[in-house]
Amino acid sequence: GAGVSQSPRYKVTKRGQDVALRCDPISGHVSLYWYRQALGQGPEFLTYFNYEAQQDKSGLPNDRFSAERPEGSISTLTIQRTEQRDSAMYRCASSPLNSPLHFGNGTRLTVT
Amino acid sequence: QQPVQSPQAVILREGEDAVINCSSSKALYSVHWYRQKHGEAPVFLMILLKGGEQKGHDKISASFNEKKQQSSLYLTASQLSYSGTYFCGTEGKGAQKLVFGQGTRLTINP
Repeated sequence: GAGVSQSPRYKVTKRGQDVALRCDPISGHVSLYWYRQALGQGPEFLTYFNYEAQQDKSGLPNDRFSAERPEGSISTLTIQRTEQRDSAMYRCASSPLNSPLHFGNGTRLTVT
Repeated sequence: QQPVQSPQAVILREGEDAVINCSSSKALYSVHWYRQKHGEAPVFLMILLKGGEQKGHDKISASFNEKKQQSSLYLTASQLSYSGTYFCGTEGKGAQKLVFGQGTRLTINP
């Protein structure tokens, strides 16, 4: 079946602009996670949802970052007033409850 | 708190064995292992839930010592396809999120 789908694959934006990154999880997966991965590093936890409820947002770096999953399926990670330090690969993962994560191919964000 | 993996990098010849370690300063509920090939997404290998549990799949196995908050991944008779970066992800008691280590890059040469 289809895996976790993220769009866009690549996003180049100018400093100060807002960006929205989309994640379409595997159908039926209850949990959805957002991670950020710098080159050569492990995924860094940002936030996660069970169904539509955001359970933990302790990894969001500051209040420019927000995420939602209004209908318990597709999720959007929004970064407002982007800065160069926000440049990274943003990965979404989904899973059945308390099960291993299935990662998407990520969105490579570059802030110029 | 991020788990610590060792070594950071390993270079082997095909057929040799490797051990990758993962340790945490926090009490753990589970440890997950993932492999990521260059330019691809991390892929799940196995999960360990109980102290002292050992699991295997093909020639890759892992152990989890809950008391020491440590896990080790064992790769036996390595194959070229084992090359990649291995990450452990730890889950604390009462926390559903996975916190990943910094990774161990494994290179297998013919």
